[in-house]
Amino acid sequence: DAMVIQNPRYQVTQFGKPVTLSCSQTLNHNVMYWYQQKSSQAPKLLFHYYDKDFNNEADTPDNFQSRRPNTSFCFLDIRSPGLGDTAMYLCATSSDLNGGYTFGSGTRLTVV
Amino acid sequence: DQQVKQNSPSLSVQEGRISILNCDYTNSMFDYFLWYKKYPAEGPTFLISISSIKDKNEDGRFTVFLNKSAKHLSLHIVPSQPGDSAVYFCAASVSYGGSQGNLIFGKGTKLSVKP
Repeated sequence: DAMVIQNPRYQVTQFGKPVTLSCSQTLNHNVMYWYQQKSSQAPKLLFHYYDKDFNNEADTPDNFQSRRPNTSFCFLDIRSPGLGDTAMYLCATSSDLNGGYTFGSGTRLTVV
Repeated sequence: DQQVKQNSPSLSVQEGRISILNCDYTNSMFDYFLWYKKYPAEGPTFLISISSIKDKNEDGRFTVFLNKSAKHLSLHIVPSQPGDSAVYFCAASVSYGGSQGNLIFGKGTKLSVKP
């Protein structure tokens, strides 16, 4: 089945230790998104790729970076995680033809 | 400032009755609205959407109503089933040149349907 897969499902990292979350898709969608969802809050868009074009939200901290080496994969790098970065990180894809988002299951990141 | 607001964090409904989940928005430029459903340990899944040119869209037990003048939309589930128990997110976007813009989400409402 075509889908969006996020790895790992759960990640615990130490304060200040770089961490990378991955997302892969078999839908061949040209747009990929990273959302951050903290407890009891709305998912918040961090950035997205439209094909190879990177689009950063204005209030996304510099600590958060992303890479998209090809259509199928997208990575979220947190260079120096802080305790406040503990959250669920959701990857989503869409085709600009229909706009519907397909989400992965998320990575629950805990910074200790 | 939240552009999409779901003011009820939780809702409890008896099986077989109607569930009504509400959503308000502040950005009058939003022209496409969606509802997503999320089970624990899973990502959100698309449920139903509505364009601003409509005021109602129905899909089986799910109906979304849009009141543009009030900047309000609601999701009705009739009849509610225990399997509908999940968190429901309202989302909105602005279309640009025929393509959908980024989705802005509400905080979600946790629906519990009791047998």
